[in-house]
Amino acid sequence: KQEVTQIPAALSVPEGENLVLNCSFTDSAIYNLQWFRQDPGKGLTSLLLIQSSQREQTSGRLNASLDKSSGRSTLYIAASQPGDSATYLCALLPRDSNYQLIWGAGTKLIIKP
Amino acid sequence: DAGITQSPRHKVTETGTPVTLRCHQTENHRYMYWYRQDPGHGLRLIHYSYGVKDTDKGEVSDGYSVSRSKTEDFLLTLESATSSQTSVYFCAMKGPTGTDTQYFGPGTRLTVL
Repeated sequence: KQEVTQIPAALSVPEGENLVLNCSFTDSAIYNLQWFRQDPGKGLTSLLLIQSSQREQTSGRLNASLDKSSGRSTLYIAASQPGDSATYLCALLPRDSNYQLIWGAGTKLIIKP
Repeated sequence: DAGITQSPRHKVTETGTPVTLRCHQTENHRYMYWYRQDPGHGLRLIHYSYGVKDTDKGEVSDGYSVSRSKTEDFLLTLESATSSQTSVYFCAMKGPTGTDTQYFGPGTRLTVL
């Protein structure tokens, strides 16, 4: 059974630092992997989607990578800002699913001014 | 906004009462989902729909039913609410053909006393 893990559950860093959030999964048979952001009391917003044939995707200060062979994805945030404070979740689409995502529990990120 | 709303946004009810949550989308997308989010568990799929009157169970479907009589509306019913169903409920829709991104509603916070 596919499992998705995000460690650490929480992370606090000073403003301006570059940081990496981790997402690991147990089965490499995936169709794609997405990173989402969730602000307190709000819904989720999709940040980046990486297809299984891709190695990375970039949007502004965000870069997501995918290594299926090691069962790992990372979300790199450059020059972090207080506005980046949120919970970040990864979710993957297995190859044998009917568009049902499998979710990690998320990493709560706090950027200290 | 991706054109997906939920109602009510907050609800307090008593054990044993039926509760219906509504999800409404204006994008004419085929796939819709109901999730619950609890601390330490991430998002868990309750039910999903792949068209009008076409629904299927997710990971945690016991005690829940859904209906989709129109493309734009996806209803989640708790047949007899229990305290274990206290949670935040999110509705989501998959983007159009060719995209696997899911767009989320703002959530409904349900408290069962």
